[in-house]
Amino acid sequence: QKEVEQNSGPLSVPEGAIASLNCTYSDRGSQSFFWYRQYSGKSPELIMFIYSNGDKEDGRFTAQLNKASQYVSLLIRDSQPSDSATYLCAVRGSTGKLIFGQGTTLQVKP
Amino acid sequence: GAVVSQHPSRVICKSGTSVKIECRSLDFQATTMFWYRQFPKQSLMLMATSNEGSKATYEQGVEKDKFLINHASLTLSTLTVTSAHPEDSSFYICSERSASSHGYTFGSGTRLTVV
Repeated sequence: QKEVEQNSGPLSVPEGAIASLNCTYSDRGSQSFFWYRQYSGKSPELIMFIYSNGDKEDGRFTAQLNKASQYVSLLIRDSQPSDSATYLCAVRGSTGKLIFGQGTTLQVKP
Repeated sequence: GAVVSQHPSRVICKSGTSVKIECRSLDFQATTMFWYRQFPKQSLMLMATSNEGSKATYEQGVEKDKFLINHASLTLSTLTVTSAHPEDSSFYICSERSASSHGYTFGSGTRLTVV
Protein backbone atom coordinates (compact mmCIF):
# COMPACT_ATOMS: atom_id res chain seq x y z
CA GLN A 1 0.00 0.00 0.00
CA LYS A 2 1.35 3.39 -0.97
CA GLU A 3 1.71 5.92 1.83
CA VAL A 4 -0.25 8.58 -0.05
CA GLU A 5 -2.61 7.65 -2.87
CA GLN A 6 -4.31 9.73 -5.51
CA ASN A 7 -6.13 8.94 -8.70
CA SER A 8 -3.75 9.99 -11.45
CA GLY A 9 -6.60 11.05 -13.75
CA PRO A 10 -6.82 12.97 -15.94
CA LEU A 11 -9.84 14.62 -14.37
CA SER A 12 -11.62 16.70 -16.94
CA VAL A 13 -14.18 19.35 -15.97
CA PRO A 14 -15.81 22.16 -17.93
CA GLU A 15 -14.95 25.75 -17.15
CA GLY A 16 -16.99 27.05 -14.23
CA ALA A 17 -17.61 23.62 -12.73
CA ILE A 18 -16.40 22.26 -9.41
CA ALA A 19 -13.33 20.03 -9.54
CA SER A 20 -13.01 17.47 -6.75
CA LEU A 21 -9.63 15.93 -6.02
CA ASN A 22 -9.18 13.12 -3.53
CA CYS A 23 -6.35 11.64 -1.52
CA THR A 24 -5.96 8.86 1.04
CA TYR A 25 -3.04 8.20 3.35
CA SER A 26 -1.87 5.25 5.40
CA ASP A 27 -0.05 6.75 8.40
CA ARG A 28 -2.61 7.37 11.15
CA GLY A 29 -0.04 9.49 12.98
CA SER A 30 -0.02 12.08 10.21
CA GLN A 31 -0.70 15.59 11.44
CA SER A 32 -0.37 17.95 8.50
CA PHE A 33 -1.83 17.81 5.04
CA PHE A 34 -1.01 19.88 2.00
CA TRP A 35 -2.20 20.42 -1.53
CA TYR A 36 0.30 21.60 -4.10
CA ARG A 37 -0.19 22.61 -7.71
CA GLN A 38 2.51 21.77 -10.20
CA TYR A 39 2.74 22.98 -13.77
CA SER A 40 4.80 20.98 -16.22
CA GLY A 41 8.52 21.52 -15.68
CA LYS A 42 8.01 23.64 -12.59
CA SER A 43 8.34 22.97 -8.89
CA PRO A 44 5.24 22.59 -6.71
CA GLU A 45 3.50 25.61 -5.27
CA LEU A 46 1.46 25.43 -2.09
CA ILE A 47 -2.27 25.95 -2.47
CA MET A 48 -3.71 24.85 0.86
CA PHE A 49 -2.71 23.25 4.12
CA ILE A 50 -5.01 21.75 6.70
CA TYR A 51 -4.31 20.35 10.14
CA SER A 52 -7.75 19.78 11.70
CA ASN A 53 -10.75 17.71 10.76
CA GLY A 54 -13.35 19.54 8.74
CA ASP A 55 -13.29 22.10 5.98
CA LYS A 56 -10.93 24.96 5.31
CA GLU A 57 -11.77 27.52 2.66
CA ASP A 58 -9.50 29.95 0.84
CA GLY A 59 -11.04 31.76 -2.09
CA ARG A 60 -12.13 29.21 -4.70
CA PHE A 61 -10.36 26.39 -2.87
CA THR A 62 -11.70 24.22 -0.06
CA ALA A 63 -9.67 21.53 1.65
CA GLN A 64 -11.49 18.81 3.55
CA LEU A 65 -9.91 16.49 6.09
CA ASN A 66 -11.31 13.36 7.70
CA LYS A 67 -8.67 11.76 9.91
CA ALA A 68 -10.91 8.84 10.91
CA SER A 69 -11.22 7.85 7.26
CA GLN A 70 -7.63 8.96 6.47
CA TYR A 71 -8.96 11.05 3.65
CA VAL A 72 -8.25 14.54 2.42
CA SER A 73 -9.77 16.31 -0.54
CA LEU A 74 -9.53 19.55 -2.47
CA LEU A 75 -12.48 21.27 -4.10
CA ILE A 76 -11.93 23.94 -6.73
CA ARG A 77 -15.00 26.05 -7.41
CA ASP A 78 -15.57 27.97 -10.63
CA SER A 79 -12.75 26.08 -12.32
CA GLN A 80 -10.72 28.06 -14.85
CA PRO A 81 -8.53 26.83 -17.71
CA SER A 82 -5.56 28.27 -15.79
CA ASP A 83 -6.30 25.73 -13.04
CA SER A 84 -5.24 22.97 -15.43
CA ALA A 85 -2.21 21.39 -13.77
CA THR A 86 -1.17 18.42 -11.68
CA TYR A 87 -2.35 18.58 -8.08
CA LEU A 88 -0.19 16.86 -5.51
CA CYS A 89 -1.44 15.74 -2.15
CA ALA A 90 1.29 15.70 0.49
CA VAL A 91 1.22 14.39 4.02
CA ARG A 92 3.62 15.05 6.86
CA GLY A 93 3.68 11.79 8.72
CA SER A 94 4.80 10.80 12.17
CA THR A 95 8.43 10.76 10.96
CA GLY A 96 8.25 14.43 10.01
CA LYS A 97 8.88 13.74 6.33
CA LEU A 98 6.66 15.18 3.63
CA ILE A 99 5.39 12.36 1.45
CA PHE A 100 3.67 13.01 -1.87
CA GLY A 101 0.97 11.20 -3.73
CA GLN A 102 1.42 10.53 -7.42
CA GLY A 103 -0.65 13.57 -8.37
CA THR A 104 -3.91 14.09 -10.21
CA THR A 105 -3.88 15.81 -13.57
CA LEU A 106 -6.75 18.29 -13.89
CA GLN A 107 -7.93 19.55 -17.26
CA VAL A 108 -10.38 22.43 -17.31
CA LYS A 109 -11.96 22.79 -20.73
CA PRO A 110 -13.18 26.19 -21.95
CA GLY B 1 7.41 33.77 2.99
CA ALA B 2 10.58 31.77 2.94
CA VAL B 3 12.47 31.50 -0.32
CA VAL B 4 14.82 28.81 -1.54
CA SER B 5 17.18 29.61 -4.39
CA GLN B 6 18.16 26.54 -6.45
CA HIS B 7 20.60 26.40 -9.31
CA PRO B 8 21.38 25.46 -11.94
CA SER B 9 17.87 25.23 -13.37
CA ARG B 10 19.02 23.02 -16.18
CA VAL B 11 22.18 21.02 -16.78
CA ILE B 12 23.32 18.59 -19.44
CA CYS B 13 26.33 16.46 -18.64
CA LYS B 14 28.19 13.54 -20.11
CA SER B 15 27.85 10.08 -18.67
CA GLY B 16 30.46 9.46 -15.97
CA THR B 17 30.83 13.05 -14.87
CA SER B 18 29.58 14.62 -11.62
CA VAL B 19 27.07 17.39 -11.24
CA LYS B 20 26.52 19.63 -8.24
CA ILE B 21 23.15 21.21 -7.45
CA GLU B 22 22.93 23.99 -4.90
CA CYS B 23 20.06 25.12 -2.76
CA ARG B 24 20.41 28.27 -0.75
CA SER B 25 17.89 29.22 1.87
CA LEU B 26 17.09 32.87 2.32
CA ASP B 27 15.41 32.11 5.64
CA PHE B 28 17.93 32.11 8.41
CA GLN B 29 15.59 30.10 10.63
CA ALA B 30 15.59 27.16 8.27
CA THR B 31 17.04 23.99 9.69
CA THR B 32 16.21 21.08 7.45
CA MET B 33 16.57 20.61 3.70
CA PHE B 34 14.85 17.84 1.81
CA TRP B 35 15.95 16.55 -1.58
CA TYR B 36 13.43 15.09 -4.00
CA ARG B 37 13.65 13.50 -7.41
CA GLN B 38 10.83 13.48 -9.92
CA PHE B 39 10.73 11.36 -13.07
CA PRO B 40 8.39 12.37 -15.92
CA LYS B 41 4.72 11.97 -15.06
CA GLN B 42 5.59 10.68 -11.62
CA SER B 43 5.43 12.21 -8.19
CA LEU B 44 8.18 13.62 -6.04
CA MET B 45 10.20 10.93 -4.34
CA LEU B 46 12.08 11.88 -1.21
CA MET B 47 15.77 11.04 -1.56
CA ALA B 48 17.30 12.38 1.61
CA THR B 49 17.04 14.82 4.48
CA SER B 50 19.90 17.06 5.53
CA ASN B 51 20.57 19.24 8.52
CA GLU B 52 23.39 21.70 9.05
CA GLY B 53 26.57 20.09 10.27
CA SER B 54 25.35 16.52 10.29
CA LYS B 55 25.29 13.63 7.89
CA ALA B 56 22.31 13.37 5.62
CA THR B 57 19.69 10.72 6.18
CA TYR B 58 18.94 8.80 3.00
CA GLU B 59 15.72 7.06 2.09
CA GLN B 60 15.73 3.35 1.46
CA GLY B 61 17.07 2.51 -1.98
CA VAL B 62 18.97 5.77 -2.47
CA GLU B 63 22.73 5.29 -2.85
CA LYS B 64 24.47 7.66 -0.48
CA ASP B 65 27.80 7.28 -2.27
CA LYS B 66 26.22 8.29 -5.54
CA PHE B 67 24.12 11.18 -4.27
CA LEU B 68 26.38 13.17 -1.99
CA ILE B 69 24.66 15.72 0.18
CA ASN B 70 26.51 18.44 2.02
CA HIS B 71 24.88 20.88 4.42
CA ALA B 72 27.90 22.69 5.78
CA SER B 73 26.18 25.95 6.57
CA LEU B 74 22.77 26.94 7.83
CA THR B 75 21.74 28.34 4.48
CA LEU B 76 23.43 26.12 1.89
CA SER B 77 22.79 22.50 1.00
CA THR B 78 24.26 20.79 -2.03
CA LEU B 79 23.49 17.56 -3.86
CA THR B 80 26.23 16.08 -6.02
CA VAL B 81 25.31 13.36 -8.47
CA THR B 82 28.54 11.41 -8.91
CA SER B 83 29.41 9.36 -11.99
CA ALA B 84 26.11 10.27 -13.55
CA HIS B 85 24.38 7.87 -15.92
CA PRO B 86 21.45 8.42 -18.28
CA GLU B 87 19.08 6.80 -15.76
CA ASP B 88 19.93 9.62 -13.34
CA SER B 89 18.29 12.08 -15.72
CA SER B 90 15.46 13.58 -13.71
CA PHE B 91 14.05 16.71 -12.11
CA TYR B 92 15.73 17.34 -8.75
CA ILE B 93 14.01 19.63 -6.26
CA CYS B 94 15.07 20.82 -2.84
CA SER B 95 12.68 21.88 -0.13
CA GLU B 96 13.15 23.42 3.23
CA ARG B 97 11.06 23.19 6.34
CA SER B 98 11.18 26.50 7.99
CA ALA B 99 9.90 27.71 11.33
CA SER B 100 8.75 30.91 9.67
CA SER B 101 6.42 29.44 7.05
CA HIS B 102 3.67 26.89 6.87
CA GLY B 103 4.78 23.57 5.54
CA TYR B 104 7.61 23.57 3.11
CA THR B 105 9.16 25.87 0.55
CA PHE B 106 10.50 24.45 -2.70
CA GLY B 107 13.36 25.46 -4.89
CA SER B 108 12.69 25.99 -8.58
CA GLY B 109 14.12 22.60 -9.48
CA THR B 110 17.03 21.36 -11.60
CA ARG B 111 16.46 19.46 -14.82
CA LEU B 112 19.39 17.06 -15.19
CA THR B 113 20.00 15.35 -18.50
CA VAL B 114 22.83 12.84 -18.74
CA VAL B 115 23.92 12.00 -22.27
